[in-house]
Amino acid sequence: EIVMTQSPATLSLSPGERATLSCRASQSVSNNLAWFQQKPGQTPRLLIYGASTRATGVPARFSGSGSGTEFTLTISSLQSEDFAVYYCQQYNNWPPWTFGQGTKVEIK
Amino acid sequence: EEHLVESGGGLVRPGGSLRLSCAASGFTVSGNYMSWVRQAPGKGLEWVSGIYNDGSTYYADFVKGRFTISRDKSKNTLYLQMNSLRPEDTAVYYCTRDSGFLYYYMDVWGKGTTVTVSS
Repeated sequence: EIVMTQSPATLSLSPGERATLSCRASQSVSNNLAWFQQKPGQTPRLLIYGASTRATGVPARFSGSGSGTEFTLTISSLQSEDFAVYYCQQYNNWPPWTFGQGTKVEIK
Repeated sequence: EEHLVESGGGLVRPGGSLRLSCAASGFTVSGNYMSWVRQAPGKGLEWVSGIYNDGSTYYADFVKGRFTISRDKSKNTLYLQMNSLRPEDTAVYYCTRDSGFLYYYMDVWGKGTTVTVSS
């Protein structure tokens, strides 16, 4: 089973700042990596798939990069609606599909 | 537009059973890869089970032998039969549509149904 590790656990930033979230896989997942956003009490929402492709309707301030074992989600300028928990997930080696433990982006 | 609506959650005693349903609209369950993902209170996301469009089924080790995934083409609905439930199965259960080619990511999610296992 591939273990996904996200860092940091919590990111405290102000609106307008840049957010950089990291995700590491215990072995290569090629570019088969997705990012999800989850707001309190809401369903997870697909943001990025294929490590760098934005899902339909996702604003351009969200970007993904990386391949192999190291991945990054960048939010170029945080908006109020971006404060949420973000999960990475690998879908290269399955089953099982595995998720990271999440990074909470909170208002500083 | 594609939608998934889960139902069937509730309170059940340890050792009991529940059957979750997930009704799809805007696409066919039988023509897609589908999964169940759960989230325990205050915890992260955890894949539970999946079914391919060819009918192949897959399970996480922690539910193997206890849960069964299935689908009904005529009702366009996905199911998760959960037996021998344990307190650690307490979670919100989401169904997802999985898209892609050879490698499948979860692009459509339902709002989830809550399962509570407690005496």
